[in-house]
Amino acid sequence: GNSVTQMEGPVTLSEEAFLTINCTYTATGYPSLFWYVQYPGEGLQLLLKATKADDKGSNKGFEATYRKETTSFHLEKGSVQVSDSAVYFCALGRDDKIIFGKGTRLHILP
Amino acid sequence: DAGITQSPRHKVTETGTPVTLRCHQTENHRYMYWYRQDPGHGLRLIHYSYGVKDTDKGEVSDGYSVSRSKTEDFLLTLESATSSQTSVYFCAIRGTSGRSSYEQYFGPGTRLTVT
Repeated sequence: GNSVTQMEGPVTLSEEAFLTINCTYTATGYPSLFWYVQYPGEGLQLLLKATKADDKGSNKGFEATYRKETTSFHLEKGSVQVSDSAVYFCALGRDDKIIFGKGTRLHILP
Repeated sequence: DAGITQSPRHKVTETGTPVTLRCHQTENHRYMYWYRQDPGHGLRLIHYSYGVKDTDKGEVSDGYSVSRSKTEDFLLTLESATSSQTSVYFCAIRGTSGRSSYEQYFGPGTRLTVT
């Protein structure tokens, strides 16, 4: 079946550090891939997406590349800010539904 | 802003009582979804709808029912609430930026506590 596995948190970094949050997936066919972000007390917001192999999604300094050969979609940012503190969800879209990973909580220290 | 509202935003209810949560959208999207979010589980799909009166079950549908009598409203009902249904409930709509993209946009959530 379809599933998403992402690194467990919490992840704690200092401001301006490099961020990687790992995500791998299992899916039949060719799913779309997403990263969502959830700030405290809010709903999920779509951060970026990729719809086919080798696509790179990017937004707000975050990037992720759809790697079919390694079934991965790792989230990266070159220099994190305190305002990036949130929970990040990797997800795949298939058959009119989205399957979410369990989320990774990110803390950025000033 | 995807134009999604949820009501109520917070509710406390007693075990055994019926509860209905409402999701309202203003953009005429065909697909609507209900999820629950619990620590350690991420988001899990309860039910979804692909049109008026067309609904299907998700992975955690037991104890929940849904109805969609008009495009803009998708109701989630707990027929007899239990403490295990204490959770944060999110509604979502599916975007229309491309047939294959499947991205969804979320409402602000309803925090439900069953005592």
